[in-house]
Amino acid sequence: EEQLVESGGGLVHPGGSLRLSCAASGFTFSTHTVVWVRQAPGQGLEWVSSISPGSHDIYYADSVKGRFTVSRDNARNLLYLQMDNLRVEDTALYFCTRDYYTGSPLEAYDIWGQGTMVTVSS
Amino acid sequence: AIQVTQSPSSLSASVGDRVTITCRASQGIRNDLSWYQQKPGKAPKVLICAASSLQSGVPSRFSGSGSGTDFTLTISGLQPEDFATYYCLQDHDFPFTFGGGTKVEIK
Repeated sequence: EEQLVESGGGLVHPGGSLRLSCAASGFTFSTHTVVWVRQAPGQGLEWVSSISPGSHDIYYADSVKGRFTVSRDNARNLLYLQMDNLRVEDTALYFCTRDYYTGSPLEAYDIWGQGTMVTVSS
Repeated sequence: AIQVTQSPSSLSASVGDRVTITCRASQGIRNDLSWYQQKPGKAPKVLICAASSLQSGVPSRFSGSGSGTDFTLTISGLQPEDFATYYCLQDHDFPFTFGGGTKVEIK
């Protein structure tokens, strides 16, 4: 079964740091772009960051640029999101997802994890 | 960043109704738009990519159209399992951006 499982969420104070992980299984992780998407409580979806299969192409939402760092370990089928200088407004459920299409301009996020909750509060 | 305005933010409809949701991009994005369905407490599910390409396993009552700046998701014959929140996502230019969502509720 193709699966993504996030971990690492929790409660952190403003200005603090947290590292999220996303473990992939059941598919060839190293050939897919993977993405972080978040959702604040009761709010809509927000695209956060993406990383290409070989880590050559990395992008961030303006709201997290300079504070978050995405990385991946293809040997261990792991995706990471290092979150520094966290703000109250970063409080959200963080999903990892994969782009189904490899080597194509098409984009479709077809497999999603269950999400890991990050709460930033004093 | 490209802004995506989705409307309406919510709507009430009955089983069997035809429902239309629109997304407007702040600049032309060709056909680089996808649609997602999210039910409470669940992860999103992709319905359509490239504006009109139905993903495998998605019922044919869902359809998408549009290019440039204006896009539409249509549900022809709303079913009980379709009551959910729908989002569009522009994947034309980084950073990608979601629309604000449309909650489809039972009338």
